[in-house]
Amino acid sequence: GESVGLHLPTLSVQEGDNSIINCAYSNSASDYFIWYKQESGKGPQFIIDIRSNMDKRQGQRVTVLLNKTVKHLSLQIAATQPGDSAVYFCAETYDSGYSTLTFGKGTMLLVSP
Amino acid sequence: SAVISQKPSRDICQRGTSLTIQCQVDSQVTMMFWYRQQPGQSLTLIATANQGSEATYESGFVIDKFPISRPNLTFSTLTVSNLSPEDSSIYLCSVGTGGVGEQFFGPGTRLTVL
Repeated sequence: GESVGLHLPTLSVQEGDNSIINCAYSNSASDYFIWYKQESGKGPQFIIDIRSNMDKRQGQRVTVLLNKTVKHLSLQIAATQPGDSAVYFCAETYDSGYSTLTFGKGTMLLVSP
Repeated sequence: SAVISQKPSRDICQRGTSLTIQCQVDSQVTMMFWYRQQPGQSLTLIATANQGSEATYESGFVIDKFPISRPNLTFSTLTVSNLSPEDSSIYLCSVGTGGVGEQFFGPGTRLTVL
């Protein structure tokens, strides 16, 4: 499928390295954040979420860190694999029923074998 | 999670024509959304498709250009009207299944306008 990451910041890592993808969010009132992974030719896929009453949440091989003071999110991927190659987006919203998502700019992760 | 399909997966259209994109979900969902993803860009919300009432459009998007239907809780269509090359994008539908903010996305429709 076609790449969606033609003009996006790119992070290139070697297989087995740890990857850190950063995101600055815009609204200080946002209190719920999600990381999505988008592979070429596919829709975004939910990875992990975090609420604003937390500063860290861990999943399988992934950790999200939230710094509300500077409105910054990061996604850490441990032991990065070639299958992790994709575009990663953060999204923000309000934790109040059905509020819409606002997506960040995205980062392309390229993992070399 | 929900399984979401979109038709067509891609299309090439002539300037001035319209394209209708279908989004089908395998279960009833309350919220359905339509996004645009321009080449090399992030996702921008076009509108929320409301069942039984008019869609709610985001700033910069209007019903005449992007009419939306939501006849039931499993199906929605987005029409992109009076196409121009600037409409060349990926169009994605997503659904909210109850978790706050959590949305599941369809595979997208790649539109190229000549």
